[in-house]
Amino acid sequence: SQQGEEDPQALSIQEGENATMNCSYKTSINNLQWYRQNSGRGLVHLILIRSNEREKHSGRLRVTLDTSKKSSSLLITASRAADTASYFCATAATGANSKLTFGKGITLSVRP
Amino acid sequence: DAGITQSPRHKVTETGTPVTLRCHQTENHRYMYWYRQDPGHGLRLIHYSYGVKDTDKGEVSDGYSVSRSKTEDFLLTLESATSSQTSVYFCAISETSGGSYEQYFGPGTRLTVT
Repeated sequence: SQQGEEDPQALSIQEGENATMNCSYKTSINNLQWYRQNSGRGLVHLILIRSNEREKHSGRLRVTLDTSKKSSSLLITASRAADTASYFCATAATGANSKLTFGKGITLSVRP
Repeated sequence: DAGITQSPRHKVTETGTPVTLRCHQTENHRYMYWYRQDPGHGLRLIHYSYGVKDTDKGEVSDGYSVSRSKTEDFLLTLESATSSQTSVYFCAISETSGGSYEQYFGPGTRLTVT
């Protein structure tokens, strides 16, 4: 079963706007990761946030983690048409060692 | 991109035939993974390897087997392909425990079982 559930399933915004995507999960985690997938390609790692961290930045990306609510959000600021892709959250459950569990993904469309 | 290749990239096969997909890495990473991606299901782990000849099952391992005789190669075999195994298959690698470090993905193999 999926550990991470992203919300919304699809998001369409205008270039220059911010995009916010959410992920909820069910069990205790070691860390949470976000990945991007362009159409027809493999996934690309964006950012990892550990369970003892609350916020992390990477360029135009900002990720927050609330372990009490078992949720995370990914914010992409000043979006570009090139940000059009599917975005997945993946969780590493505590004690799961080397496995990640992926959500079903969010489809982001950025209109020029 | 990380040095990960998958072969073949596309394959059409008939129900009941055996199929082997290959993942090759040049990064000398310890961990390797096979996922399948289907609409409405996201990515699901089939099998993974934590070293040469060390493998374990994932969430959807039924009907699949794997082998890893060298660090750089991880093979996924469908012993007798079924239509339900039509999917896009991704290989991934990780430097150390995949739960602590990011995974790097190959370009995928699109398999169609008719």
